[in-house]
This record gives sequence, structure tokens and C-alpha cells, in this order.
Amino acid sequence: AQSVTQLDSQVPVFEEAPVELRCNYSSSVSVYLFWYVQYPNQGLQLLLKYLSGSTLVKGINGFEAEFNKSQTSFHLRKPSVHISDTAEYFCAVSGGYSSASKIIFGSGTRLSIRP
Amino acid sequence: EADIYQTPRYLVIGTGKKITLECSQTMGHDKMYWYQQDPGMELHLIHYSYGVNSTEKGDLSSESTVSRIRTEHFPLTLESARPSHTSQYLCASSGVSSGANVLTFGAGSRLTVL
Repeated sequence: AQSVTQLDSQVPVFEEAPVELRCNYSSSVSVYLFWYVQYPNQGLQLLLKYLSGSTLVKGINGFEAEFNKSQTSFHLRKPSVHISDTAEYFCAVSGGYSSASKIIFGSGTRLSIRP
Repeated sequence: EADIYQTPRYLVIGTGKKITLECSQTMGHDKMYWYQQDPGMELHLIHYSYGVNSTEKGDLSSESTVSRIRTEHFPLTLESARPSHTSQYLCASSGVSSGANVLTFGAGSRLTVL
């Protein structure tokens, strides 16, 4: 079984500052990892994903994440945030594309950007 | 452009009423899911389906039921709503066209039971 831990429930940062949102996972099998973003009153949309290959994954809106197998982490980063990045961010894990694989979400991190 | 549609977006009803939350997708995805999102913004999987006539309960126990008679349609029903059912319900789907376990979400149905 897989599980996901997002270590920070809220992260306040100033505009144009860098940000890192932390995510750790546990799994007994190889995993797929995802970051989703949820803007107010909307559903979730995919930010980026790691399936295999390069451990540094680039996503939309200037975000990137690095898969670290030894530390079982998949932290999300952005070098310079904008007010429009204010949203809830969810890390998710699944055990691979099979009929028995479910997608498990973390508890979310609320990113608030201060002008 | 949304390819997965949820109705109603907002619903306020009294205790004891029967409600159905609709979810439809136009992408031909074989997998569909219902998540319950608490006021604290956590998501919990309550139902999933890997194809027509296949439904399973998720990790969070729920009094709701689902059906999957058609590939594109995955409605969720509460026979007798209670205040404890107040929450946001998110429908999602995934399939070959979206890539390995990549979910496409609807905009959500926010349910308030008085």
C-alpha cells in the first residue's frame, strides 16, 4: 500500500520569492508521483508527473519537482512565485498503471503569496 | 475546456432527502473515481470504477452508492442525506489517452445538508 505525507499544511511566501512544498511517500513497489493544483472553487488539475526516467520533472507555470528515491521524496519547487500561484497543492502517488492501482493524495499544502 | 462534467455544482437540501450527483466524461476513459473533499481540503477516495458494471469502495467508508452502466457516466447517490454528508464531492477519470494514472477532475459538487 502507498501513502503520502505533505509536511506543511500552509506555506506563506512573498511574491517573487522561491518556494518549496514538501512531499514524502511510502510504497513497497515502484511508484508514479504527481502534483496537482486546486484554485479556489475549482477541481484539481495536473501540475506535473514522474513516471520514470529523469528525476527532475518540469511542469506547467514554471514549477518543477525532483524525485529522490533514497529519501522517498518528491518536493515541488518554483524559483519565483506570483500572486496567481495562490492555491492548494496536492501530492499524489500510485503504484503503476494496472487495474489494481489506486491514486492516493496527500492532505494538501495551502500556498499563500504576499505582495 | 472541461471534458468531465459534474452537476449540480452547488446543492443545499434538507435531511432525509435522496440526492444524485452526476458525473460524465467525454474522453472515453475506462477508470472513474469519486473523492470526498473535507472542509480542511483533504481528499479521500470513496468509490472507483475500472469499467462498465465494475464498482469498488474506496479507502473512506461512505453511505453513498455508485453505478457504472455506461462508460461515460458515473453517478453518486445518497438515499437519505444527513448533515454529516456535507462536503465537496470531486469526480475524476483516467485512461489510456490521459497517460498512466493521470486524473482529469471535474469542477466538483458542493453539498450542504441542513
